[in-house]
Amino acid sequence: GQSLEQPSEVTAVEGAIVQINCTYQTSGFYGLSWYQQHDGGAPTFLSYNALDGLEETGRFSSFLSRSDSYGYLLLQELQMKDSASYFCAVRDEGGKLIFGQGTELSVKP
Amino acid sequence: DTAVSQTPKYLVTQMGNDKSIKCEQNLGHDTMYWYKQDSKKFLKIMFSYNNKELIINETVPNRFSPKSPDKAHLNLHINSLELGDSAVYFCASSRGLAGGPSYEQYFGPGTRLTVT
Repeated sequence: GQSLEQPSEVTAVEGAIVQINCTYQTSGFYGLSWYQQHDGGAPTFLSYNALDGLEETGRFSSFLSRSDSYGYLLLQELQMKDSASYFCAVRDEGGKLIFGQGTELSVKP
Repeated sequence: DTAVSQTPKYLVTQMGNDKSIKCEQNLGHDTMYWYKQDSKKFLKIMFSYNNKELIINETVPNRFSPKSPDKAHLNLHINSLELGDSAVYFCASSRGLAGGPSYEQYFGPGTRLTVT
């Protein structure tokens, strides 16, 4: 079966850097994605990694190590508006996107 | 010019009723999805259609019936609603088949269903 693990919550202060980890177990691997969801809002796509290494998009970066079945989302220069839930997701061989349970990030002033 | 839209945004109804949620995307995407997000924010796929053809059908009670009249629309009809159906239902779309290179999924605003 497929499973993903990520911390349930993380707290950080404005301006800081935070890393949200995700470990996964899947039958077949087609990439690791990250989505952001604000309270009451819809999930929005942040990043995707198919190959090992770091992908940077502005203040957000995402990393993947396929040999370790591990990835992380790195958020730099945290802002209050970054307070949200962050989900890692993997695509399985059947074509489904399997989401982790989500990490609730609270950014404090 | 909303990319993925859903109606209604809120739905409050009594047990035993039948209700429908509609979804439309104007992105020209081939694949559409229904997800259920429970009170703990767990997001789980229910169905997926590619060019009007059902390609993913998770273990969902057969009270739930999706329908795709064309590739821009995907509706969800729920019969005999139960308390446990209370959740947020998200429609999403993506450019291609989910099994290919990852195509980001665009989510609609969600429909918050409350069954009393």
